Amino acid sequence: DAGVIQSPRHEVTEMGQEVTLRCKPISGHDYLFWYRQTMMRGLELLIYFNNNVPIDDSGMPEDRFSAKMPNASFSTLKIQPSEPRDSAVYFCASSLPGNTIYFGEGSWLTVV
Amino acid sequence: SQQGEEDPQALSIQEGENATMNCSYKTSINNLQWYRQNSGRGLVHLILIRSNEREKHSGRLRVTLDTSKKSSSLLITASRAADTASYFCATDEYGNKLVFGAGTILRVKS
Repeated sequence: DAGVIQSPRHEVTEMGQEVTLRCKPISGHDYLFWYRQTMMRGLELLIYFNNNVPIDDSGMPEDRFSAKMPNASFSTLKIQPSEPRDSAVYFCASSLPGNTIYFGEGSWLTVV
Repeated sequence: SQQGEEDPQALSIQEGENATMNCSYKTSINNLQWYRQNSGRGLVHLILIRSNEREKHSGRLRVTLDTSKKSSSLLITASRAADTASYFCATDEYGNKLVFGAGTILRVKS
């Protein structure tokens, strides 16, 4: 299996622009997670899906953030409009129920 | 909120020595997982230990879990320079939600 695939790996964008991060989970995994990692706050769970349905989005920082999972093999995390404080590494991860969670290599976002 | 808390925050040892990292958590768990993150990379899963298990081994890694003390430890034996990384523990809450601690930065000097 190719593992969890994220794109883009690196993105630099200007404040106010829309950012879309993409994720392809491991085939057959029921759960998909979006995490954000910063030096100040560490790894934070933003949202997770079970069978394409959002289960808990309490970690989503504000209305500028949205996530979708239109099918079992694709998810997006969108930031609109982006702000410099959104600069972070965004990780997508997937798993089977109660099992190991596998992470992608991350999308490194810089908002200037 | 982050549940697992690692101790120490940073650890520097010589190659060949053992490294021990500890993790404490606050509520009941179903399982606890340890991950490694090399600089600039994603998280790599090391070991998952379930709440009814007390010890688990994988190569040079040994993980213990004490649910009465709500703590876990990760031991890396005969460390190598390639073990230099950040190590995180993560605990689950109801619904398969994984919450990470702040991590331990391990540096192995050759």
